[in-house]
Amino acid sequence: DVKVTQSSRYLVKRTGEKVFLECVQDMDHENMFWYRQDPGLGLRLIYFSYDVKMKEKGDIPEGYSVSREKKERFSLILESASTNQTSMYLCASSSGQSDEQYFGPGTRLTVT
Amino acid sequence: GEDVEQSLFLSVREGDSSVINCTYTDSSSTYLYWYKQEPGAGLQLLTYIFSNMDMKQDQRLTVLLNKKDKHLSLRIADTQTGDSAIYFCAERGFRDSNYQLIWGAGTKLIIKP
Repeated sequence: DVKVTQSSRYLVKRTGEKVFLECVQDMDHENMFWYRQDPGLGLRLIYFSYDVKMKEKGDIPEGYSVSREKKERFSLILESASTNQTSMYLCASSSGQSDEQYFGPGTRLTVT
Repeated sequence: GEDVEQSLFLSVREGDSSVINCTYTDSSSTYLYWYKQEPGAGLQLLTYIFSNMDMKQDQRLTVLLNKKDKHLSLRIADTQTGDSAIYFCAERGFRDSNYQLIWGAGTKLIIKP
C-alpha cells in the first residue's frame, strides 16, 4: 500500500513564525505535490516537484517555498506565517508514469 | 485557461441515486478523474475514465462522459451513509509546460436519512 505521511495533523502558529510542513512517501514516487484546500475553492497547487532538488511553482506559490533534498521527502516552508495562510495543507505523490495521486491525511494549520 | 467546475453541495436521501456533475474546458484532456475525500482524511482515487470512453461502470459507480459538451458525471447507486464525502473531479491538463491535474472545487455529498 502506498503511504503518504505528513508530520502533523494539527498545527497552531503565530503570525511571523517560520513553519515547516513535512511530507514523506514510501513508494519511491518521482512526483510530489503540495496543495492547500479551502472551502469553496477546492485544491490549489502551491508547488510540485518531479525529481530530487527540482521544484516548480504551482498556482499560488507566493509566501511559500519548498525543499526536496531526498526523493521520499518534500517539505513546505512558510517563511513568515500570516493569518491568510490558515488552511488545510495536503501533500500528494505519484509515479512518473501515472496521474494517480496518493494523498496524505492533511495538516490543518491555524495562524493566529 | 483550463477550469473545472462543480456544484458545491448535493443532498440526497439514503437509498436514492446521487449524481454529481462536473464540467471541464480542456478538450485535449485524456483522462478524467473522480476523487473522494472522507471527513478528516486525504483524497483517494475513486475512479477514472479515458477520454475515448463514454461510460465506465464499477459496482455502484457509473461515470458518464460527454466529450462534446465537456461534461462528466458520477452516479452512485443506492447511496449509503458511508458515501458522505467531498467528491472532486479532476482533468489531466497541460499547464505551464507540464501535465498536471486540474481540480474542481469539490461537491459535498450530504445523505439524509
